[in-house]
Amino acid sequence: DTGVSQNPRHKITKRGQNVTFRCDPISEHNRLYWYRQTLGQGPEFLTYFQNEAQLEKSRLLSDRFSAERPKGSFSTLEIQRTEQGDSAMYLCASSLDPRGEQYFGPGTRLTVT
Amino acid sequence: GENVEQHPSTLSVQEGDSAVIKCTYSDSASNYFPWYKQELGKRPQLIIDIRSNVGEKKDQRIAVTLNKTAKHFSLHITETQPEDSAVYFCAAIMFSGGYNKLIFGAGTRLAVHP
Repeated sequence: DTGVSQNPRHKITKRGQNVTFRCDPISEHNRLYWYRQTLGQGPEFLTYFQNEAQLEKSRLLSDRFSAERPKGSFSTLEIQRTEQGDSAMYLCASSLDPRGEQYFGPGTRLTVT
Repeated sequence: GENVEQHPSTLSVQEGDSAVIKCTYSDSASNYFPWYKQELGKRPQLIIDIRSNVGEKKDQRIAVTLNKTAKHFSLHITETQPEDSAVYFCAAIMFSGGYNKLIFGAGTRLAVHP
């Protein structure tokens, strides 16, 4: 499968724990996006990388959230001191064209108990 | 601020009927409008998109229309089939400081009944 992949697919954690998700974009795509999707809502933009540079962060991304893309390939999203409100599907997307199609990964479903 | 509104939130049709989903956007600079289909538990998948230099685009049973003056665009599905049942999201690209991001509508849950 040469599409966008994400790991893990599901994560259950207790409130206060830290979690880290990984996204592997399509290999030639230099643009990578993180979104959060809650039940019954569309994906909400979190952050954007062009190569290894994080160029934009949503105000939804509190100080507990950090994202990296160290070598311009895969990216990680870490949530520290998780809260129940962090429970959501975290989607990663990549693109080649800044004004074109974004290809989504299968998402990581986070449940904070 | 940046906003995409989508209506209706749910839509129920009989197999063979047409379905129309409408979206409005706020940023007049937006020039790319994709539609995604998301089946339960699966990733959003692009089904059709339109750029602001065209007013309509068709792909078999799916069509999208764009009215830039009114800042709205619509998805039309003809001859609906049960496998069209899913949640459909419209989106508009917003440009902020030279960077682009997709702003999604809240989604329309389409149910096609045999």
